[in-house]
Amino acid sequence: GESVGLHLPTLSVQEGDNSIINCAYSNSASDYFIWYKQESGKGPQFIIDIRSNMDKRQGQRVTVLLNKTVKHLSLQIAATQPGDSAVYFCAEPIIQGAQKLVFGQGTRLTINP
Amino acid sequence: DAGITQSPRHKVTETGTPVTLRCHQTENHRYMYWYRQDPGHGLRLIHYSYGVKDTDKGEVSDGYSVSRSKTEDFLLTLESATSSQTSVYFCAGGGLYNSPLHFGNGTRLTVT
Repeated sequence: GESVGLHLPTLSVQEGDNSIINCAYSNSASDYFIWYKQESGKGPQFIIDIRSNMDKRQGQRVTVLLNKTVKHLSLQIAATQPGDSAVYFCAEPIIQGAQKLVFGQGTRLTINP
Repeated sequence: DAGITQSPRHKVTETGTPVTLRCHQTENHRYMYWYRQDPGHGLRLIHYSYGVKDTDKGEVSDGYSVSRSKTEDFLLTLESATSSQTSVYFCAGGGLYNSPLHFGNGTRLTVT
């Protein structure tokens, strides 16, 4: 069945550096992916999404890259700030009509001063 | 997301008691969802609703029921709480396929 996985459970970066969080998926028919950020004590917050007809999508300080050949996507955060410390999830919907999301386990991003 | 409000934010209850968690949305989302989040398991779907009075099961629905009598409100009920239902519960709302879900800030439930 479909699964969405994250490569690393934790990632530490220096403030001001760029961060890259990776995610692998197994269903080659997947056509939509979402990245969420979850801060302590809060619910997942939508960051950015990408459809399979795109390879790259940029937001404010964030970029998502999609490599359909190897079924991999990544979230790049530029010039990381203390407020970027959180757990990051990738997710994909598994059926059409209702947005049933399958989530990866998450990567905890820690920003070192 | 201010459009999704969950209550209570924290609850402690005893094994065997019924518990109802509430989710209220102001975004007119057609679809609403209940997820639970546990260490090592991530977010798992309990139940979802695709309209008023229309609900369906998710991957971990045993021991839970839901009701949606109006668009704005989606209730999750644990008929007889067990310790395995100690978790953080998230409600989410969204539209059709290929659009993101928007989450509330969760309810932390402890069953003693």
